[in-house]
Amino acid sequence: AQSVAQPEDQVNVAEGNPLTVKCTYSVSGNPYLFWYVQYPNRGLQFLLKYITGDNLVKGSYGFEAEFNKSQTSFHLKKPSALVSDSALYFCAVRALNQAGTALIFGKGTTLSVSS
Amino acid sequence: SQTIHQWPATLVQPVGSPLSLECTVEGTSNPNLYWYRQAAGRGLQLLFYSVGIGQISSEVPQNLSASRPQDRQFILSSKKLLLSDSGFYLCAWSSNRAGANVLTFGAGSRLTVL
Repeated sequence: AQSVAQPEDQVNVAEGNPLTVKCTYSVSGNPYLFWYVQYPNRGLQFLLKYITGDNLVKGSYGFEAEFNKSQTSFHLKKPSALVSDSALYFCAVRALNQAGTALIFGKGTTLSVSS
Repeated sequence: SQTIHQWPATLVQPVGSPLSLECTVEGTSNPNLYWYRQAAGRGLQLLFYSVGIGQISSEVPQNLSASRPQDRQFILSSKKLLLSDSGFYLCAWSSNRAGANVLTFGAGSRLTVL
């Protein structure tokens, strides 16, 4: 079964420092991987996705993610964090069952950026 | 452009009462539609998905049901709510084309069962 794991419930960084939010995956076949962000009491917003090609994927708001097949990881990164980046971040993988294009989400990581 | 609407945004219901949450999509045809539940501020669980009118698949057994009476309308229902049904319900849509299609989410409906 397809799954993703986010090993950290919370990540704390200072504004201006680089940030990393970790995600590892377990899939059958080639993974289709996604990152979403959720602000309080809001729906999820798409940040970026990996299908194939370059291992470094660039997305919205200056975020990028690095696909690493040998480590089965898809960590989200940003070179310089902003206080406004504070939110809940979800890694997801495409389901490969009858759900077709549905996504299976990790438990989420809360990012807190301090000024 | 495509938009997705969910309502109501907030709902407080007593145990045993019925539920109806509605989701509509504009600006696209024959979308794939999904209902997710988010409990305790994290952890999204896929509840239902639909690839067409009247076609509903359930991912987990539960007290809820879903219907798709029109192409761009997706309804989440319950005949008798349980305390455990409390949570944040998110509707999403995606293109029906094959491939790694992005899910676009609505703003969510927060349900509190008392």
